[in-house]
Amino acid sequence: DAGVIQSPRHEVTEMGQEVTLRCKPISGHNSLFWYRQTMMRGLELLIYFNNNVPIDDSGMPEDRFSAKMPNASFSTLKIQPSEPRDSAVYFCASSWGSTENTEAFFGQGTRLTVV
Amino acid sequence: AQSVAQPEDQVNVAEGNPLTVKCTYSVSGNPYLFWYVQYPNRGLQFLLKYITGDNLVKGSYGFEAEFNKSQTSFHLKKPSALVSDSALYFCAVRDTRRKLIWGLGTSLAVNP
Repeated sequence: DAGVIQSPRHEVTEMGQEVTLRCKPISGHNSLFWYRQTMMRGLELLIYFNNNVPIDDSGMPEDRFSAKMPNASFSTLKIQPSEPRDSAVYFCASSWGSTENTEAFFGQGTRLTVV
Repeated sequence: AQSVAQPEDQVNVAEGNPLTVKCTYSVSGNPYLFWYVQYPNRGLQFLLKYITGDNLVKGSYGFEAEFNKSQTSFHLKKPSALVSDSALYFCAVRDTRRKLIWGLGTSLAVNP
């Protein structure tokens, strides 16, 4: 398996533009997570899907952020409009089974820069 | 409040020496504890976990961690460090809401 695949690896955009990040989880995994990593705040969980259904989106910063999982093999995280403070590395991760004791597999991340 | 602390931002160790990366936690109930490693420009990789049972957990790449309930700690250890172990290490604990709480990470530098 190729692991969790994220695209693009790098994104530079201007403030106010829409940004869409994409993720393909590991085949057979039924949980998907979107994280944001910054120097100041570390790793933050944005949203968690189980069986394609959003279970917990309490980490989504504000209405400018939205995430979808239309099927078991694809998810998107959208920021509209983007702001400079959204600059971070965004990770997608997937896992199988109970989220209590199952490890997650991370993609390589998307480095987003909003200028 | 439920939390994870990694008290050292950076740990430096000479190659061949033992290494310890510290983690303490505060969570209600039985903790589920994890260690992950992040190499430059890469995603996090799972190293090991403690769910129940033996307090000494063995993981990938020769790493192990010791769960200490009385000290609420889960320190990561390796008997003999390699230069290739240089990376960022994250401790995490599952809280009562079934969410992972992450430490801020410890940068490990192994000097040749």
